[in-house]
Amino acid sequence: DAMVIQNPRYQVTQFGKPVTLSCSQTLNHNVMYWYQQKSSQAPKLLFHYYDKDFNNEADTPDNFQSRRPNTSFCFLDIRSPGLGDAAMYLCATSRDRWGQCTFGSGTRLTVV
Amino acid sequence: ELKVEQNPLFLSMQEGKNYTIYCNYSTTSDRLYWYRQDPGKSLESLFVLLSNGAVKQEGRLMASLDTKARLSTLHITAAVHDLSATYFCAVDASAGGTSYGKLTFGQGTILTVHP
Repeated sequence: DAMVIQNPRYQVTQFGKPVTLSCSQTLNHNVMYWYQQKSSQAPKLLFHYYDKDFNNEADTPDNFQSRRPNTSFCFLDIRSPGLGDAAMYLCATSRDRWGQCTFGSGTRLTVV
Repeated sequence: ELKVEQNPLFLSMQEGKNYTIYCNYSTTSDRLYWYRQDPGKSLESLFVLLSNGAVKQEGRLMASLDTKARLSTLHITAAVHDLSATYFCAVDASAGGTSYGKLTFGQGTILTVHP
């Protein structure tokens, strides 16, 4: 089945140690998004790619970076995770701006 | 800045009862989405509402959109325990330009259905 796959499902990292979360899709969608969802809060968009064009939200911390080496994969890099970065990170895709988002299963990040 | 507000934020219902969740948003939008989220899980798409007056129904859930009032509703009919979850509305306000399909979410409504 075509889908959005996030790995790993659970990630534990040390305070200040760089961590990378990955997302892959078999839908061949043009747009990929990263959302951050902290406990009991709504998802918040961090950034998105339309094809290779990167769009950063104005309030996304510099500590967060993203890479999209090809259509299928997108990575979220957290350069120096702090305790406040513990959250569920959701990857989503859409065919184009008119398409409905399909969300991956998420990666729950714990910072110790 | 787009604001999306849901109410109520917490909803405790008896099985068999009806209730409505409201979603208000502050700016013109192309489309509105409803999602369901179970604890510790990702978002499951429920409805996509694309135009004024749109109404979609799936099982015990019905969603509607009034773009003039900037209001969407999610109506629950004869609630059952399996509907217990958090429900989010999300608005796509990226009309034109180069902002592609960015969603702004409401705070979420935690629904608990009890016997």
